[in-house]
Amino acid sequence: QKEVEQDPGPLSVPEGAIVSLNCTYSNSAFQYFMWYRQYSRKGPELLMYTYSSGNKEDGRFTAQVDKSSKYISLFIRDSQPSDSATYLCAMSGRTGRRALTFGSGTRLQVQP
Amino acid sequence: NAGVTQTPKFQVLKTGQSMTLQCAQDMNHNSMYWYRQDPGMGLRLIYYSASEGTTDKGEVPNGYNVSRLNKREFSLRLESAAPSQTSVYFCASSGEGYTEAFFGQGTRLTVV
Repeated sequence: QKEVEQDPGPLSVPEGAIVSLNCTYSNSAFQYFMWYRQYSRKGPELLMYTYSSGNKEDGRFTAQVDKSSKYISLFIRDSQPSDSATYLCAMSGRTGRRALTFGSGTRLQVQP
Repeated sequence: NAGVTQTPKFQVLKTGQSMTLQCAQDMNHNSMYWYRQDPGMGLRLIYYSASEGTTDKGEVPNGYNVSRLNKREFSLRLESAAPSQTSVYFCASSGEGYTEAFFGQGTRLTVV
């Protein structure tokens, strides 16, 4: 079983819809949670960063972390065709190796 | 500001050939990483370097070697390429005390 599970999609939504992307994880040592956006044939770019549990909002994006359920979410409001990309969740622990463990990514398509 | 720069962007190798993937960052980051990305597998850590002069194995190190040449540069070497090493390779870096990583644009490697 993978440490981080993510539905690969593809997820297709109409422009303006609210998008919900999710990851579950098994390692209770994870403390730092990130969402990356990756456009086709490009490198991942950091979208959201959250430490421990709680919510974080940045414009149309909201990241939620529920450590008790080992579940993280990314919400995109008023989705745009330019949001069409693969979204990768990533996480790491507080001590030891700080390298990230990634989910496999969810491909999102926003239809105009 | 270039961030993380990888060379080459594309490469085709024959089985058994060797090559070195180059990575340089200009953000004065201590930690650098090499990941590979395969369909449905997300990004998997090959090697990482927490600081100049140190390197450690990640999740999938077999068939690879690395060199942390200085604080800016971290190279990945394939001594005898195999078709299973066909992948997209990403270099990343992160700063002291931070876990979020910044990625290069990737090297698409095909081994035939």
